[in-house]
Amino acid sequence: AQSVTQLGSHVSVSEGALVLLRCNYSSSVPPYLFWYVQYPNQGLQLLLKYTTGATLVKGINGFEAEFKKSETSFHLTKPSAHMSDAAEYFCAVSEGGTGFQKLVFGTGTRLLVSP
Amino acid sequence: DTAVSQTPKYLVTQMGNDKSIKCEQNLGHDTMYWYKQDSKKFLKIMFSYNNKELIINETVPNRFSPKSPDKAHLNLHINSLELGDSAVYFCASSQGLTGGAYEQYFGPGTRLTVT
Repeated sequence: AQSVTQLGSHVSVSEGALVLLRCNYSSSVPPYLFWYVQYPNQGLQLLLKYTTGATLVKGINGFEAEFKKSETSFHLTKPSAHMSDAAEYFCAVSEGGTGFQKLVFGTGTRLLVSP
Repeated sequence: DTAVSQTPKYLVTQMGNDKSIKCEQNLGHDTMYWYKQDSKKFLKIMFSYNNKELIINETVPNRFSPKSPDKAHLNLHINSLELGDSAVYFCASSQGLTGGAYEQYFGPGTRLTVT
């Protein structure tokens, strides 16, 4: 069964600094990988996803992530943090292929951005 | 227009009561889900329906009973509420059944507090 590990329940950065949120996955078959963001008191919103093809994926709000099969990782980055990026970020995995596949979420990383 | 809506947004009730949460999506999606997010922000799937048919039931107590009257609606009824049921419940929807590559669209959540 697939699983996701997010290192660091909290990450603090200064405004303008690089954002790096770590995600490692476990899957017995080629995975589909997702990053979702949850702003306070809201539902989750998709930032980006990797299914097949190019391993560097660009998403909304300047975020991107790189699928590294050899490292079983899918880390999320943004070159310059904004105050509005403060939120909870969830990495998620589902198994590729046909048929229904459920989405398994990591435990989330809270991003704190200071002025 | 709200893509995935839930009612109510907040629900405070006493142990032993029965309550329902309603969800509607106007995206034309075939698949809908219920997730539970606990106090530590951990998000776990509870149920999934495809074209009104139950396809996932994740070891949820049978006090929880989902119902899908049509593709656009998925309701959650909870009997004999317990303190441990306190959480935020999210409804979500996605297009199609095949594979796990589809983005899930989340509702704003229903915060259930059992006293």
